[in-house]
Amino acid sequence: AQSVTQPDIHITVSEGASLELRCNYSYGATPYLFWYVQSPGQGLQLLLKYFSGDTLVQGIKGFEAEFKRSQSSFNLRKPSVHWSDAAEYFCAVEDSSGGGADGLTFGKGTHLIIQP
Amino acid sequence: NAGVTQTPKFQVLKTGQSMTLQCAQDMNHEYMSWYRQDPGMGLRLIHYSVGAGITDQGEVPNGYNVSRSTTEDFPLRLLSAAPSQTSVYFCASSYRRGGQSQQFFGPGTRLTVL
Repeated sequence: AQSVTQPDIHITVSEGASLELRCNYSYGATPYLFWYVQSPGQGLQLLLKYFSGDTLVQGIKGFEAEFKRSQSSFNLRKPSVHWSDAAEYFCAVEDSSGGGADGLTFGKGTHLIIQP
Repeated sequence: NAGVTQTPKFQVLKTGQSMTLQCAQDMNHEYMSWYRQDPGMGLRLIHYSVGAGITDQGEVPNGYNVSRSTTEDFPLRLLSAAPSQTSVYFCASSYRRGGQSQQFFGPGTRLTVL
């Protein structure tokens, strides 16, 4: 069974500083990979996704993520965070061979706090 | 398009009561699924469906029933609510075409079981 690990439960970053959120997955092949963001009391918003090809993917709100097959990682980055980036971030994987029917496996999330 | 809609937004139940969480999508997606979100646990898959008349269990199916009589609707039933089912529930619909996939999430239902 596939699994996703987000090692950092909480991360605090100063406004304007760079950000990297870590995500590691366990899966037999290359899965489909996603990052979602959730603001307090809100639903999930897709930031970016990776299926194949270029291992550096660009998303919305200035985020990017890099897929590293050798490390089974899909880390999320942003060069300069804004106070509005404070939220919960979830990494998720999907079985690329499963036809898309059996849903996503999520990590437990990383809570991002922005210091002024 | 309304996308994925969920009703109600909030619900309070007493232990032992039953209820149905409604989910509908208007994107003609073949796949639909239900997740629950608990603090520190991320989202976990409850049940999913690959099309009308076909459902299967996810990671945490106990205490929940589903059915899919139409492509559009995928209700989640709690037959006898327990405090452990206090959670936020998200419904999603998805497609997979041309080697790509995307899940569309509803706004969620916050359920409290007393």
